[in-house]
Amino acid sequence: GENVEQHPSTLSVQEGDSAVIKCTYSDSASNYFPWYKQELGKGPQLIIDIRSNVGEKKDQRIAVTLNKTAKHFSLHITETQPEDSAVYFCASYGSARQLTFGSGTQLTVLP
Amino acid sequence: ETGVTQSPTHLIKTRGQQVTLRCSSQSGHNTVSWYQQALGQGPQFIFQYYREEENGRGNFPPRFSGLQFPNYSSELNVNALELDDSALYLCASSFGADENFGPGTRLLVL
Repeated sequence: GENVEQHPSTLSVQEGDSAVIKCTYSDSASNYFPWYKQELGKGPQLIIDIRSNVGEKKDQRIAVTLNKTAKHFSLHITETQPEDSAVYFCASYGSARQLTFGSGTQLTVLP
Repeated sequence: ETGVTQSPTHLIKTRGQQVTLRCSSQSGHNTVSWYQQALGQGPQFIFQYYREEENGRGNFPPRFSGLQFPNYSSELNVNALELDDSALYLCASSFGADENFGPGTRLLVL
């Protein structure tokens, strides 16, 4: 089945700096890659997604890039703010027709 | 627009018991997926229901079962609870690929 690896597991940045989280996937048929933010005591919230026919997508301070050849995709957060502190999950949707999640990145933005 | 809701929010059971968790889909969403999220890990897909039929299943034993009702709400049933079943159970509804998650039910098995 699909395997999604996510790095790093923890990330601390100073407020205003950028944060980058990277994921790799194994199923070459995967065609949809969402990113979720999960705050303590809440369910994951979709923050951005990208489909396999696009290489990059941006929404204000958040951007996602996809390299299908290398089978990896990344989340970029610019001008980080304390409210960006949360656990971030990448996921992929592949031939098994289900979302497979990475293991998560705990992002801490230091004021 | 009402989001995904789940009940109960917390639950404590003992090993061997049975549990039923409930989920109300977001308005207009005809697909419901259930996930198990162990502490410190990403959600793991249990199964999905589309128009009241199971539409895919992850690597979970048959003691995990579900239902979807005509109004697209759903139940997750777990029989013969084991200690390792302690986790956050998430329901997500969708119309297409974008899944919207509920807040989850925290299950503790003692």
